[in-house]
Amino acid sequence: GAGVSQTPSNKVTEKGKYVELRCDPISGHTALYWYRQSLGQGPEFLIYFQGTGAADDSGLPNDRFFAVRPEGSVSTLKIQRTERGDSAVYLCASSPRSASTDTQYFGPGTRLTVL
Amino acid sequence: DAKTTQPPSMDCAEGRAANLPCNHSTISGNEYVYWYRQIHSQGPQYIIHGLKNNETNEMASLIITEDRKSSTLILPHATLRDTAVYYCIALEYGNKLVFGAGTILRVKS
Repeated sequence: GAGVSQTPSNKVTEKGKYVELRCDPISGHTALYWYRQSLGQGPEFLIYFQGTGAADDSGLPNDRFFAVRPEGSVSTLKIQRTERGDSAVYLCASSPRSASTDTQYFGPGTRLTVL
Repeated sequence: DAKTTQPPSMDCAEGRAANLPCNHSTISGNEYVYWYRQIHSQGPQYIIHGLKNNETNEMASLIITEDRKSSTLILPHATLRDTAVYYCIALEYGNKLVFGAGTILRVKS
């Protein structure tokens, strides 16, 4: 079946602009995760949803970052007033639930470049 | 979640077994050991996970020591396509994965 998809694959924006990154999880997966990966580093957790609600948003770096999942499927990560330091690959993952035995399946990521 | 320690890089000859070690000396009884890998410019890919017993699937084997303080991921016949960064993660709950720097495995012909 289809895996996790993310759009766009690449996004170039200017400092101060607003961007939205979209994630389509695997059908039926109730848990959805966002991670951010800077060059040369491992992915860092941002936020995770169980259904429509954000169960843990402790990884969001500041209030410029916000994510929604209104119908419990597609999620959008929103970044306001982008800064050059926001440049990274944003990864989305989904899993059937959020139990410890559930594998997280990752999408290919969106590469965000802030000029 | 417990911290894990991995060597920064390893080389392996094509066709030979690749043995990737991971130390997790502070792991708790409820934490699973997960392995993911990330091939260049792709999202992380799940490989295998285990709690106490050794595990095997179509991709790899996971050997966990009896005291659970360390583990080894074994790729039985490494190919050039196995060149990637391999992450060992100790995870209690199925929420946030905490990735370290991982091990860069280079498979050479």
